[in-house]
Amino acid sequence: DAGVTQSPTHLIKTRGQHVTLRCSPISGHKSVSWYQQVLGQGPQFIFQYYEKEERGRGNFPDRFSARQFPNYSSELNVNALLLGDSALYLCASSLVGQGAGGPLDEQYFGPGTRLTVT
Amino acid sequence: AQTVTQSQPEMSVQEAETVTLSCTYDTSESDYYLFWYKQPPSRQMILVIRQEAYKQQNATENRFSVNFQKAAKSFSLKISDSQLGDAAMYFCAYKISSGSARQLTFGSGTQLTVLP
Repeated sequence: DAGVTQSPTHLIKTRGQHVTLRCSPISGHKSVSWYQQVLGQGPQFIFQYYEKEERGRGNFPDRFSARQFPNYSSELNVNALLLGDSALYLCASSLVGQGAGGPLDEQYFGPGTRLTVT
Repeated sequence: AQTVTQSQPEMSVQEAETVTLSCTYDTSESDYYLFWYKQPPSRQMILVIRQEAYKQQNATENRFSVNFQKAAKSFSLKISDSQLGDAAMYFCAYKISSGSARQLTFGSGTQLTVLP
């Protein structure tokens, strides 16, 4: 079975532009989470979506938004890009998003999208 | 807020030897999960091992084992018989087991080098 896929792999944008990153979860997984990993740091939580509803949001400005589609794929949008938005953006999917705990909401990560803002 | 601290930015180990990576965390919750993830240069975050806080027995996965000290809020990873393929960035992570959002909180990572 295919794992979590993300597109594009790499992206270069200019300050002030907008970017859309895409994620396809493992088949059957209904929850998608987004993380930002700045070089040399651990990933930081941005959003979690489950059954197309936002279930959690990290400490990120409103320039960051996301949505989940009926097929459970997801998009992360970032407006008015800043140099500090340069990072690896990771998507993770899990079978469920809440309630069950344990292995059922184990998060499986994609390879990430490397965003460079110049 | 929960925090995860990895105090060793870099570690190295000789091939076939044993190495221990340290992690401490801070939480007021009593029920949670702890994880070690491996991130090789390919960037893919791979789960190495998981520990449920309510379990006293330390988790083991082949050459990987943990030393979970709940009272001390310590969660170290031991890699036995280190192999060249173990070279990667290792992240300790925490996840609460209740509530609506199940995000992972990560430490800053330990870069492990395996010397031939």
